[in-house]
Amino acid sequence: DARVTQTPRHKVTEMGQEVTMRCQPILGHNTVFWYRQTMMQGLELLAYFRNRAPLDDSGMPKDRFSAEMPDATLATLKIQPSEPRDSAVYFCASGPGRGADTDTQYFGPGTRLTVL
Amino acid sequence: AQTVTQSQPEMSVQEAETVTLSCTYDTSESDYYLFWYKQPPSRQMILVIRQEAYKQQNATENRFSVNFQKAAKSFSLKISDSQLGDAAMYFCAYKGTSGTYKYIFGTGTRLKVLA
Repeated sequence: DARVTQTPRHKVTEMGQEVTMRCQPILGHNTVFWYRQTMMQGLELLAYFRNRAPLDDSGMPKDRFSAEMPDATLATLKIQPSEPRDSAVYFCASGPGRGADTDTQYFGPGTRLTVL
Repeated sequence: AQTVTQSQPEMSVQEAETVTLSCTYDTSESDYYLFWYKQPPSRQMILVIRQEAYKQQNATENRFSVNFQKAAKSFSLKISDSQLGDAAMYFCAYKGTSGTYKYIFGTGTRLKVLA
C-alpha cells in the first residue's frame, strides 16, 4: 500500500530554532506539494515541485522558509528561524504527474508543529 | 482566478441516512478536475472521489457519489447510508488543466454523524 510518509509527526520547538520537516513521496510520483493548514487560513499551498524542480513557491515566506528535493525520494521544508505564528499542521502531498491519475494528489499524515 | 465555495460550514446527518454537501466553483476554463477530500480527526487528508469535467457521467465510489452540474458550476457530494466513520471535514478542490498542478480548496464542511 503506497503512501506518502512525513517525519516527524509532531514537533515542539522554541522560537528562533530551526525546524526541518521531511517527506517521502510515493515511489514513482514526480510532483510534490507542501501545504500548511491553520484554523484561520485553512489549507495554503506553500510550494510544489515537478521532477525535483521547484515550480512555484510563491506561497512561502521567503525570508524564513525553504523547500528542496535533494533526490526523488526526499522533500524537505525548513523554517529558520521559527516563530509562534508558524504553528500549524504541514502536509506533504505527491502526485503521479502523468497517466490516467495525473491530476490527483495523495497526502501524507502531516507534521503538527508547535512553536513556543 | 478560480474560486471554490463551500457554503455549509457544518452539517449533521443521522446514521444510515443520506446527506449532500455542496460545492460551487468559478472558472473560465472548459476542462478541469474536481475532487472531494475527507479529513477525519486524525488530520489525514483522504481522497474520496474525483470528477473530470469532460465526463458527463457522475463519479461514484461505493456510498459516495457526486452531482456534477457543469453549467451551474456545482459539484455536490452525496453520502448514502451514513456511518459514524464518515464524521470528518470534507474539502472540495478544483484543479485546472492550463499548465498548473495547483489545487484550489474550499474552506470545508464539517460533517457530524448522529447515532
